Amino acid sequence: DQQVKQNSPSLSVQEGRISILNCDYTNSMFDYFLWYKKYPAEGPTFLISISSIKDKNEDGRFTVFLNKSAKHLSLHIVPSQPGDSAVYFCAAGSGTASKLTFGTGTRLQVTL
Amino acid sequence: DAGVIQSPRHEVTEMGQEVTLRCKPISGHNSLFWYRQTMMRGLELLIYFNNNVPIDDSGMPEDRFSAKMPNASFSTLKIQPSEPRDSAVYFCASSLEGRGLTDTQYFGPGTRLTVL
Repeated sequence: DQQVKQNSPSLSVQEGRISILNCDYTNSMFDYFLWYKKYPAEGPTFLISISSIKDKNEDGRFTVFLNKSAKHLSLHIVPSQPGDSAVYFCAAGSGTASKLTFGTGTRLQVTL
Repeated sequence: DAGVIQSPRHEVTEMGQEVTLRCKPISGHNSLFWYRQTMMRGLELLIYFNNNVPIDDSGMPEDRFSAKMPNASFSTLKIQPSEPRDSAVYFCASSLEGRGLTDTQYFGPGTRLTVL
């Protein structure tokens, strides 16, 4: 029972265009969400997060949108750059608990 | 500053052998997490510690897996006996307080385990 789902295993986007990565969750107790980025042979690194009291959080080229009623969040990267090519993991947590539930990841490839 | 350190980076072993993975968290961090990454299930939390005490081990697959944190700067994840289905990348992560959204988890580079 995957509580956090990333249904697109891979995505290819042209440099300069927008990349949209999607994530769905089933547990209504989740109240904060994060995106992690992972390069090959490295551990995941934190990218951006959002609390359930917001519906949008922006950090430079990265914006995360949260739709609580649909239990859906998305990560927008604008403009996409070749260095953004990586695997992106969506994660969710609840309250002040440390435990994070991760999705299976989406591999983004930004082409020239 | 050194990040989370994991050893070995790669481990190849035969079915039935004991495997021990090691982790040194970031100095000053009070929470430590062990994750397993597979294609099918993504990143799964196996166990996490706070102030060296196991808090949640509900993700540990079965009794063959055990984890210890004898002090604030060292943790081990042991698999005995190992099986081919244990082949995966195992990550260790640490965080300052382990308190949700505001407390970023920092991951090590992972140990790629292959059980033949």
